[in-house]
Amino acid sequence: EAQVTQNPRYLITVTGKKLTVTCSQNMNHEYMSWYRQDPGLGLRQIYYSMNVEATDKGDVPEGYKVSRKEKRNFPLILESPSPNQTSLYFCASSFSAGSYEQYFGPGTRLTVT
Amino acid sequence: QKEVEQDPGPLSVPEGAIVSLNCTYSNSAFQYFMWYRQYSRKGPELLMYTYSSGNKEDGRFTAQVDKSSKYISLFIRDSQPSDSATYLCATFNQAGTALIFGKGTTLSVSS
Repeated sequence: EAQVTQNPRYLITVTGKKLTVTCSQNMNHEYMSWYRQDPGLGLRQIYYSMNVEATDKGDVPEGYKVSRKEKRNFPLILESPSPNQTSLYFCASSFSAGSYEQYFGPGTRLTVT
Repeated sequence: QKEVEQDPGPLSVPEGAIVSLNCTYSNSAFQYFMWYRQYSRKGPELLMYTYSSGNKEDGRFTAQVDKSSKYISLFIRDSQPSDSATYLCATFNQAGTALIFGKGTTLSVSS
């Protein structure tokens, strides 16, 4: 089954404790990205990757890091999480940038206390 | 001005009603317009897309773009309880590297 998986689905952590949210796709997509979804603000892009070893900032990259060492994986790293990073996070992938059909993962709900 | 504006609702209708969901956008250079549907506790999934102006129909759903007024619409005919979800309009940023979403309209269809 074609899908984007994310882990964990739910995470409660404390300020400053490094964490990684994993994202994996099985569709051989070149393009992957991370979004966060907040009430009243909607979905906003954090980082994107056009291909392996090619990543770039989106609209809200502060406090986040990413890496793309393999085509299928695109982890999101929060080196020192803060309460304002409490949000619902989605990973997405598509064949290329500009593909109208983006496949989204199921989401990771992160709470930073 | 936000690049894509969408009335968040919520919108409640009885089963069988015709639903109209609307967005406006600011940049006349935008060409692709998408509607994503998001069920509770799920990621968004593509429902329909249109390119430039005009209508596109898929079953009970019709997507419409009016570039002269920068207006995007999604019509749902014979709405069903299974249509209860949040509907997000979207377009690409100018670089094509990100989707720009409206804030979403939450629809509830009661049986």
